[in-house]
Amino acid sequence: TQLLEQSPQFLSIQEGENLTVYCNSSSVFSSLQWYRQEPGEGPVLLVTVVTGGEVKKLKRLTFQFGDARKDSSLHITAAQTGDTGLYLCAGAPGNMLTFGGGTRLMVKP
Amino acid sequence: EAGVVQSPRYKIIEKKQPVAFWCNPISGHNTLYWYLQNLGQGPELLIRYENEEAVDDSQLPKDRFSAERLKGVDSTLKIQPAELGDSAVYLCASSLTSGGTYEQYFGPGTRLTVT
Repeated sequence: TQLLEQSPQFLSIQEGENLTVYCNSSSVFSSLQWYRQEPGEGPVLLVTVVTGGEVKKLKRLTFQFGDARKDSSLHITAAQTGDTGLYLCAGAPGNMLTFGGGTRLMVKP
Repeated sequence: EAGVVQSPRYKIIEKKQPVAFWCNPISGHNTLYWYLQNLGQGPELLIRYENEEAVDDSQLPKDRFSAERLKGVDSTLKIQPAELGDSAVYLCASSLTSGGTYEQYFGPGTRLTVT
């Protein structure tokens, strides 16, 4: 069982649609990071959320940290083909650094 | 500013052979991480260094894997002997130690194929 569960594992949508992916845990996190990874490359940091209930926006991406700091979500508005990739959440409950299994997003033209 | 550099990008070896990966972190980053990533999955931490000290190596299979970070800058990860199940992407990342937020910057990875 992974410490960070991401859902869905796979998502295939048309360009222009909205979507939300989730990162859940039974543990409390002092912070969570979201990364996007493209084939053949390392993950790239998108955002860090620190405060329970925090909402951060990055252009069409909206990140939310749960009030209890056990879960987070990523919402993409009007998805574009360039959003295709593997979305990963990561954090360190206690001192145990861990990544979720990722959500693989495919945005079709 | 140069990013995290890893070499080689690709490596194909036969089982039971040794292999080594090299990583040069972003200048000034005192924390360095090695991860293993299987296809379609999230990275799994192998070892984390704070300067020269390995502060978390609990997931490193120490019977065949070893790592070093001399002088607290670049690092080498070695596998000896390699097994078929070691085929994966090996990622290196670095970060500033900053209040436990673990904002990491990754290199492109080394794709290892063991035949």
